[in-house]
Formats: sequence, C-alpha cells, structure tokens
Amino acid sequence: DQQVKQNSPSLSVQEGRISILNCDYTNSMFDYFLWYKKYPAEGPTFLISISSIKDKNEDGRFTVFLNKSAKHLSLHIVPSQPGDSAVYFCAASGGGGGADGLTFGKGTHLIIQP
Amino acid sequence: NAGVTQTPKFQVLKTGQSMTLQCAQDMNHEYMSWYRQDPGMGLRLIHYSVGAGITDQGEVPNGYNVSRSTTEDFPLRLLSAAPSQTSVYFCASSYGRGLYGYTFGSGTRLTVV
Repeated sequence: DQQVKQNSPSLSVQEGRISILNCDYTNSMFDYFLWYKKYPAEGPTFLISISSIKDKNEDGRFTVFLNKSAKHLSLHIVPSQPGDSAVYFCAASGGGGGADGLTFGKGTHLIIQP
Repeated sequence: NAGVTQTPKFQVLKTGQSMTLQCAQDMNHEYMSWYRQDPGMGLRLIHYSVGAGITDQGEVPNGYNVSRSTTEDFPLRLLSAAPSQTSVYFCASSYGRGLYGYTFGSGTRLTVV
C-alpha cells in the first residue's frame, strides 16, 4: 500500500503564475513532511519541510501547507519560473516501525511554460 | 565541501555478480541511507544508518547488505545481482531525522543483464 500519494503525474503552469502541487498520505504517525525537486540525471534536492504540529511553512517563493485532518499537504510556488520545471517529490518521515528514512510519493512532473 | 559522493556513476553487471556501491559524505552527518528509484516510482528506502556501527533495514532490503564502520562512509553491497536490481541508486545523508532534509548524491545507474 502506498503511504504517500501524488495523484498528478504531471502539471503544466504558465510562467509567472502559481504552481500548486498536491500530496496525500495515509499514515497518521508521519511527523515530518518534506518536498524535493529533481532534475534528470541528478539527485533530489531538498526544498522545504514542515512539522506535523504546524500548518504552514514559507521559504521565499515556496510555501508548504499541511492539513492534518485531511492528511493532505501542498506545495505552492509563486511566481513560477522556467527553472522550476522538474519532478517534485513529496516525502514523509516517522510513520512508526522504527525506520528512520523517508517515504516518497511517485512524483509530479512540473512544466513551466513561457 | 563535496557533499555526498557516489561511485561509480554507471555500472553494468552480469546476473550473479557481486559489487559494492560506494557512498561518502564530508558533512559529519550521522544519518545516512540508500534508496532505489525505478521508472514511474518514487524513491524506496533500502537500508539506513543512524550512526557508525548502527544499521537497519528499510522497505526493500532483500539482496542488499550494508555496514557503517565510519561516519563518512556507507557502502551498499549487492550480494548476487539480479535483473530486478536494475535501477538508479541514491545515497543520502542528514544531521538527523525530521526537518533537516537529506542531502542526496547524484546517483549510480546500475544495469544487471
């Protein structure tokens, strides 16, 4: 069973507009959530994170929102730039079972159109 | 400051061969982990370590072995390569769990024929 789900394989947004990437999770024991950006042939790059006790975290153009009751988080990018075109992964840590690593979603390919 | 260094970048193995994927970090991170990424999939945790001498299994550990004798190095061993292990492998390190965010290496693309 997939504990972290990104239901949109791809998203196309015009340059300068807002990009909203969504993520759902099923395990209520997750205590931290992170977003990563990945270019082809490179490793993922950490973007922003949020603790489960918060509902919002902001860093420059990037804002992550967490809705614990809905088990849903989203990443907002404002304004979107051509360099933002990449695959974005939602990840979670905790989750019980003692594993100290990250559980990833399958990713959303964001395409910023000029 | 090199970050997380993975070697080799590419490797082709024959079924049944063994090999070690190397991972080294120079940030004095305690936490290190290995992931594999298959087409259309997110990254899946293979093994992780929370400090020298301490390792544990992740989601997909079968066919892989790890050890952590130093803080800097966390090699991943394939004991007897199988075509199902064809994948891109990423090593990552962090100060700890939670908000810090792991730093990833650039990956090793492994093909088993």
